[in-house]
Amino acid sequence: DVKVTQSSRYLVKRTGEKVFLECVQDMDHENMFWYRQDPGLGLRLIYFSYDVKMKEKGDIPEGYSVSREKKERFSLILESASTNQTSMYLCASSLWAGEDTQYFGPGTRLTVL
Amino acid sequence: TQLLEQSPQFLSIQEGENLTVYCNSSSVFSSLQWYRQEPGEGPVLLVTVVTGGEVKKLKRLTFQFGDARKDSSLHITAAQPGDTGLYLCAGPHYGQNFVFGPGTRLSVLP
Repeated sequence: DVKVTQSSRYLVKRTGEKVFLECVQDMDHENMFWYRQDPGLGLRLIYFSYDVKMKEKGDIPEGYSVSREKKERFSLILESASTNQTSMYLCASSLWAGEDTQYFGPGTRLTVL
Repeated sequence: TQLLEQSPQFLSIQEGENLTVYCNSSSVFSSLQWYRQEPGEGPVLLVTVVTGGEVKKLKRLTFQFGDARKDSSLHITAAQPGDTGLYLCAGPHYGQNFVFGPGTRLSVLP
């Protein structure tokens, strides 16, 4: 079974702090994704990566950056957290691009005070 | 404006009832996926439909892809409390990633 793990289930940070969200997958998948999920808006893509050290902006990249130094690990960074970044953050991976199945982690609920 | 719209947004029914939820777009999709997300968990893929008019069954769940490949429906027969969750549709977008609808939150009461 594919397993995608995220470093924290719940996180509380203060405005202006730097925040790291870590995601690890154990199935040698090429593609990894970071989404945020807000009520009524569904999942919105922040960044994705289709190879080590490669990254592409999604629909809402502003205020975020990412890092993929190893194939299995994809990190989301909030350089200076703001209250409007309070959300559920979901990481996903897939074997190949296009119409493949995405496997999701359990999510990190981030609250920025 | 969202590329994928879902209706209804919320649905609360009694155990044993039937229901249908919808996923609609003004755009044509090469395929559509349905995911279910339970509280505190990430979404899990239920099915992918790839051919216009296609019908797929997964036990009590029936999925249909519209002939024009712009819409899809999910029908649940004799709903059970275990069906409770957020149902999301998703479609490939620009080849590399997916766009998701806002979801239908289903609550099945015992």
